Amino acid sequence: NAGVTQTPKFQVLKTGQSMTLQCAQDMNHEYMSWYRQDPGMGLRLIHYSVGAGITDQGEVPNGYNVSRSTTEDFPLRLLSAAPSQTSVYFCASLPRWRAQETQYFGPGTRLLVL
Amino acid sequence: GENVEQHPSTLSVQEGDSAVIKCTYSDSASNYFPWYKQELGKGPQLIIDIRSNVGEKKDQRIAVTLNKTAKHFSLHITETQPEDSAVYFCAASSYGQNFVFGPGTRLSVLP
Repeated sequence: NAGVTQTPKFQVLKTGQSMTLQCAQDMNHEYMSWYRQDPGMGLRLIHYSVGAGITDQGEVPNGYNVSRSTTEDFPLRLLSAAPSQTSVYFCASLPRWRAQETQYFGPGTRLLVL
Repeated sequence: GENVEQHPSTLSVQEGDSAVIKCTYSDSASNYFPWYKQELGKGPQLIIDIRSNVGEKKDQRIAVTLNKTAKHFSLHITETQPEDSAVYFCAASSYGQNFVFGPGTRLSVLP
């Protein structure tokens, strides 16, 4: 299994541009999520999904969209990039929603918005 | 909602010494507490977890203790080695619902 994969590893955007961060998992996990990591603030939940066709907002959803058309893929879309979205983005998955199990994280995407 | 605090934010220890990182949580419904290690340029990886029906769990040099009454849990690393240097995150979850993370502790193990 490849686990959780994310592309790209690095991206530079100009303010106002849009882009999609890709996330895929091959473990047939039910739950997938997106976090952003900023210095001194830990990981903050952006959006999550408890199954194909089901998504919901996390703590910091503004400026981001998600969709979950398949179990495997959970892309994160930045609609109009802003410098405040400069961060490291992590995708994570876990086998079952509402089970006491841990998440598996991808390697991250480092995003710089100029 | 849940709030997780973590202390200290940075910790330096001599190789071979022990390191302790403490977290407190606010929601008494939280019942699952994982600890993650994040190395530079990588995603967080689980190193140990504890559920609320257990007070302590140990895995070789790593242990976690949980005090439900005081709502705090701690990570203990004994006989630290240079490869233990990383950022450590605690987290709390209620019945596998969304995780809330602490802000992280940067551990440096000095040779």
